[in-house]
Amino acid sequence: EIVLTQSPGTLSLSPGERATLSCRASQSVSSNYLAWYQQKPGQAPRLLIYGASSRATGIPDRFSGSGSGTDFTLTISRLEPEDFAVYYCQQYDNSRRTFGQGTKVEIK
Amino acid sequence: QLQLRESGPGLVKASETLSLTCTVSGGSISRANSYWGWIRQSPGRGLEWIGSIYSSGTTYYNPSLKSRVTISADTSKNRISLKLNSVAAADTALYYCARHVFTMIADAFDLWGQGTLVTVSS
Repeated sequence: EIVLTQSPGTLSLSPGERATLSCRASQSVSSNYLAWYQQKPGQAPRLLIYGASSRATGIPDRFSGSGSGTDFTLTISRLEPEDFAVYYCQQYDNSRRTFGQGTKVEIK
Repeated sequence: QLQLRESGPGLVKASETLSLTCTVSGGSISRANSYWGWIRQSPGRGLEWIGSIYSSGTTYYNPSLKSRVTISADTSKNRISLKLNSVAAADTALYYCARHVFTMIADAFDLWGQGTLVTVSS
């Protein structure tokens, strides 16, 4: 089973700053099968990025994804107040789907 | 507009069977090439994919849960069901159903229900 490790655990930033979130896989993941989600308190996760770099419908272009192999990154170019949340990565490989443990982006 | 809503008992006794339903509105679950999944979330285990069902009825399960899980579809009622046997405290979680996009270029859950909390009691 591929384990996804997200870092940092918590990111303390101010609105307007750039956020860089990391997702590292224990084995190589196809870029097609790496997704990112945002979750706010009391809400279900919301798909942001699929295929490592494609934005889901309605997702602002301040969100971008990149990476390949075992290292993937979610970047939020300029944090808006509504972006403070927990972010998860998710992968698919060989009939298994796993999620990272999450990175919390909090207001500094 | 497609919406998903989970329902079922909020409390299940240990060793019994957890049964949940996901009712889909605004679209047909039997639309060609559509997948529907169940995911759960708990403080101890984080987000965990349970399994998915294809519009043809083919199912895909998390190998770690496969021996206890059954996912089925009722096209007449446009809903997906989850059964998890022999539950234990570790199965206490918020259970979500979601539309599952699974193609040659993507694997992701693009639309989620609001979730339903299931507590396993001893």
